[in-house]
Amino acid sequence: AQTVTQSQPEMSVQEAETVTLSCTYDTSESDYYLFWYKQPPSRQMILVIRQEAYKQQNATENRFSVNFQKAAKSFSLKISDSQLGDAAMYFCASSELSGGSNYKLTFGKGTLLTVNP
Amino acid sequence: DVKVTQSSRYLVKRTGEKVFLECVQDMDHENMFWYRQDPGLGLRLIYFSYDVKMKEKGDIPEGYSVSREKKERFSLILESASTNQTSMYLCASSSGGFNTEAFFGQGTRLTVV
Repeated sequence: AQTVTQSQPEMSVQEAETVTLSCTYDTSESDYYLFWYKQPPSRQMILVIRQEAYKQQNATENRFSVNFQKAAKSFSLKISDSQLGDAAMYFCASSELSGGSNYKLTFGKGTLLTVNP
Repeated sequence: DVKVTQSSRYLVKRTGEKVFLECVQDMDHENMFWYRQDPGLGLRLIYFSYDVKMKEKGDIPEGYSVSREKKERFSLILESASTNQTSMYLCASSSGGFNTEAFFGQGTRLTVV
């Protein structure tokens, strides 16, 4: 069974600075996807970034980038030039096949990010 | 834009009541999911469905059942609500395979008293 571990329950960063959120995962599959989702106080969960396990190049979306270390099963999220609107709960997630063609999306416990002005 | 709508944002029910949480998506997605979110525990998968009338247990299915009679609608049922089912419930949907983005509803905060 896949597991996702986020070891930082809370993090804080000064506005305009850079912060890295950690995530490790465990899976027996060779092909899978990894995701970072953001849940602001409005509760609306939105996708931040995704990474395919077969791709060695780290995914980037504007100020958000990942450091994907497949051998170490590590998938950290870096937020550059942090903004007040980045304050949210961040969830790391992995997706893998769960019998046949069905798949499961498993989440970590989340990291609450505070951005200080 | 994809829209996933959960029928209630806040709900208060009594112990022993049968509770229905409804979720509707408008993008013809095959896959739908129910999660519960608790502080310090993250999102835990209760049930998911990959087709009409098809369902699979997630990690914490005990005390819950689901129904998917139509593709756009996925219902979570608490047969006899208990106080330990007080939680935030999130519905999500996605198309295609495991590489696709999941879209979430705004959640239902259920309190069982």
